[in-house]
Amino acid sequence: AQSVTQLDSQVPVFEEAPVELRCNYSSSVSVYLFWYVQYPNQGLQLLLKYLSGSTLVESINGFEAEFNKSQTSFHLRKPSVHISDTAEYFCAVISGNTPLVFGKGTRLSVIA
Amino acid sequence: DTGVSQNPRHKITKRGQNVTFRCDPISEHNRLYWYRQTLGQGPEFLTYFQNEAQLEKSRLLSDRFSAERPKGSFSTLEIQRTEQGDSAMYLCASSLITGGETQYFGPGTRLLVL
Repeated sequence: AQSVTQLDSQVPVFEEAPVELRCNYSSSVSVYLFWYVQYPNQGLQLLLKYLSGSTLVESINGFEAEFNKSQTSFHLRKPSVHISDTAEYFCAVISGNTPLVFGKGTRLSVIA
Repeated sequence: DTGVSQNPRHKITKRGQNVTFRCDPISEHNRLYWYRQTLGQGPEFLTYFQNEAQLEKSRLLSDRFSAERPKGSFSTLEIQRTEQGDSAMYLCASSLITGGETQYFGPGTRLLVL
């Protein structure tokens, strides 16, 4: 069965520092990959996705993620975080006809 | 585009009672999904509809759970004889049938069973 591993449950980082949130998936077949963000007391919002083509995908607020097929990874990065990036981040994958499978989430806390 | 809406946002009930939640998807979306999210976990798939047809159900969906989407628009999720273990956030999402299946989530219904 498909699974997603988010290696860090919590990541504290100082404002304006870079951050990487790690995500690995188990499928060896063709996949679609997603990062969702959940701000406090809000619903899940799509941050970015990889469907095909360029392995580097970007969001409108400065995050990027790179699909690495050989490492089965889809790590999320931002070169300089802001206080407003404090949220929970979920990596998710679809492969074949499976439903969307989520990781357990990484809580990013940005410290002023 | 008003997004996915869910009602109620919060529900407190006593063990053994029945509860029903409603989800209104984005109007042109023909797929609708239900997930459950407990503290410290990512959302877990429960079931999904394509138009009015329920196409897949997770084994997490016990026989106390039933979902409907009678006209292919809004959906309801009913939990009968609630148990304390049913306490969770219930999320609804919708999508178009495309190669990317980007799902758009509602704010969720938080259920507390006492």
